[in-house]
Amino acid sequence: DAGVIQSPRHEVTEMGQEVTLRCKPISGHNSLFWYRQTMMRGLELLIYFNNNVPIDDSGMPEDRFSAKMPNASFSTLKIQPSEPRDSAVYFCASSLGDRANEKLFFGSGTQLSVL
Amino acid sequence: AQSVTQLGSHVSVSEGALVLLRCNYSSSVPPYLFWYVQYPNQGLQLLLKYTSAATLVKGINGFEAEFKKSETSFHLTKPSAHMSDAAEYFCAVRVSGGYQKVTFGTGTKLQVIP
Repeated sequence: DAGVIQSPRHEVTEMGQEVTLRCKPISGHNSLFWYRQTMMRGLELLIYFNNNVPIDDSGMPEDRFSAKMPNASFSTLKIQPSEPRDSAVYFCASSLGDRANEKLFFGSGTQLSVL
Repeated sequence: AQSVTQLGSHVSVSEGALVLLRCNYSSSVPPYLFWYVQYPNQGLQLLLKYTSAATLVKGINGFEAEFKKSETSFHLTKPSAHMSDAAEYFCAVRVSGGYQKVTFGTGTKLQVIP
């Protein structure tokens, strides 16, 4: 299996531009998570999907952030407009289910720099 | 709500020395506990997990962790550090019962000195 695939690997953009991050979960996994990692705040859960439905978006910072999962094999995280404080590494993770002992499989992340 | 606290954001050990990374948890119900490792420029990978079976859990790469309810701890150990162990380690907690998100600690960067 190819694992969780994220694109792009790096993204540099200017303040005010729209940014779209993409994720392909592992085939057969029905839970998908978007995390943001920064030095100051560590690893934060942004949103969680189960069977393509958003279950918990309480971590989404503000209306500038939106996430979709149109099908079981694809998800996007969009920031519009982007701001310098959005600079971080964004990880997508998937798991087989929602049991508490289920392990997460992480992608390699997207390093976002907003200038 | 559950949480984990990792003591020490940076730990340095000599190659061949004992590795001890500390994690304490807070949970009102029996938790599931995890250790994940992150190598530079990579995503997190599961090292080991505690799911209420044996209190001593063995993971990959020679790591193990012991669940101690009386101390609310889940420290990660390895008898002999290897250069390849240099990475960032995250403790995480989740509880059963419906959807419960995984809560990660702030991470501990392990440096291994030759």
